[in-house]
Amino acid sequence: QKEVEQNSGPLSVPEGAIASLNCTYSDRGSQSFFWYRQYSGKSPELIMFIYSNGDKEDGRFTAQLNKASQYVSLLIRDSQPSDSATYLCAVVSYNTDKLIFGTGTRLQVFP
Amino acid sequence: DAGITQSPRHKVTETGTPVTLRCHQTENHRYMYWYRQDPGHGLRLIHYSYGVKDTDKGEVSDGYSVSRSKTEDFLLTLESATSSQTSVYFCAISPETRAYNEQFFGPGTRLTVL
Repeated sequence: QKEVEQNSGPLSVPEGAIASLNCTYSDRGSQSFFWYRQYSGKSPELIMFIYSNGDKEDGRFTAQLNKASQYVSLLIRDSQPSDSATYLCAVVSYNTDKLIFGTGTRLQVFP
Repeated sequence: DAGITQSPRHKVTETGTPVTLRCHQTENHRYMYWYRQDPGHGLRLIHYSYGVKDTDKGEVSDGYSVSRSKTEDFLLTLESATSSQTSVYFCAISPETRAYNEQFFGPGTRLTVL
């Protein structure tokens, strides 16, 4: 079992829809969770972090964390073609204190 | 912009040659990291540093060494490059003034080992 798992996609959504990206993690002691966006050929860009159970909103982005079920999700409202990218979930390992990345979910937003 | 540059941005080399990649930051952050990114594996930590001359191994450190003689520079050396080290290498920094382990990435170096 991978430490951080994401569906590779692609997830295709129409412009204006809500995109829902999911991530599960295996380390029950993890406390810090991050979402990065990576355009093709570019470096990862941090877009959200969350520490507490529940929702955290920032503009069109909402991160959701459920520690009991060990999943974290990212919702993108009013999706735009410019949101088309790979979204990486990252979790701070309780054991190593280092970021562990998932392999990413590719999102495609079509006009 | 986290003020991170990486050099070179692209490099092609041959098996068995040594290669050094440079990460330079302008904001004197203590924490610096080297990752590699490969299809199907995501980003994996190679080495990291908590300050000048303070470095440690990450998940995939075999075949790599690092040095940090100045706060602003973190060097990654492939002692004898192999084809399995063909990858995209990213440097990252983690500002102490930001959330714990919040990391920002440089532009990356694409390395091809023939």
